[in-house]
Amino acid sequence: QQQVKQSPQSLIVQKGGISIINCAYENTAFDYFPWYQQFPGKGPALLIAIRPDVSEKKEGRFTISFNKSAKQFSLHIMDSQPGDSATYFCAASIRYYGGSQGNLIFGKGTKLSVKP
Amino acid sequence: NAGVTQTPKFQVLKTGQSMTLQCAQDMNHEYMSWYRQDPGMGLRLIHYSVGAGITDQGEVPNGYNVSRSTTEDFPLRLLSAAPSQTSVYFCASSSVMNTEAFFGQGTRLTVV
Repeated sequence: QQQVKQSPQSLIVQKGGISIINCAYENTAFDYFPWYQQFPGKGPALLIAIRPDVSEKKEGRFTISFNKSAKQFSLHIMDSQPGDSATYFCAASIRYYGGSQGNLIFGKGTKLSVKP
Repeated sequence: NAGVTQTPKFQVLKTGQSMTLQCAQDMNHEYMSWYRQDPGMGLRLIHYSVGAGITDQGEVPNGYNVSRSTTEDFPLRLLSAAPSQTSVYFCASSSVMNTEAFFGQGTRLTVV
């Protein structure tokens, strides 16, 4: 079952441009939405995360926008750099739940290439 | 500060062989999990554990076994390898179930 849908599958952006990756979720009980960044040959690493009580969170050039009513959230990378070239995964989970839905459910990933 | 350590990094198996992928963490995390990553499929949860002695199935558990005898270690066993198990396997740990997950470097497994 695909509970988190991510788009686009791949993205090419010029250096200095804005990269935007979108995710949509189905389960309204989800209340933790992280983004992971993965470089080739490495494991994913947490980039930024948001809880649904805020609509936006910014850390440096990376911003998460969250739309609870639309059940969507997105990652914006401002002033994209070649070093940002990686695969990005969105994810979702339920924070205070001891069962299986407490696990992270990942989107299928977006491969970002930033051209110099 | 090792974090999450996976061994081996690469492995080639013949169909029907069995093997164990090792995962160890030194952060005293209660929660550990195994994912497989396939092109275009993202990260899919195989098995997870919320503490020593407690394991449960994820989205794609068939063909895999796990055990959690200590907080530090969470090995993944392939009982009888099949070509469909060719994938990159990641182990992850976190202090509790849905805080920051720390991933290992992965094991690239090829079953021929």
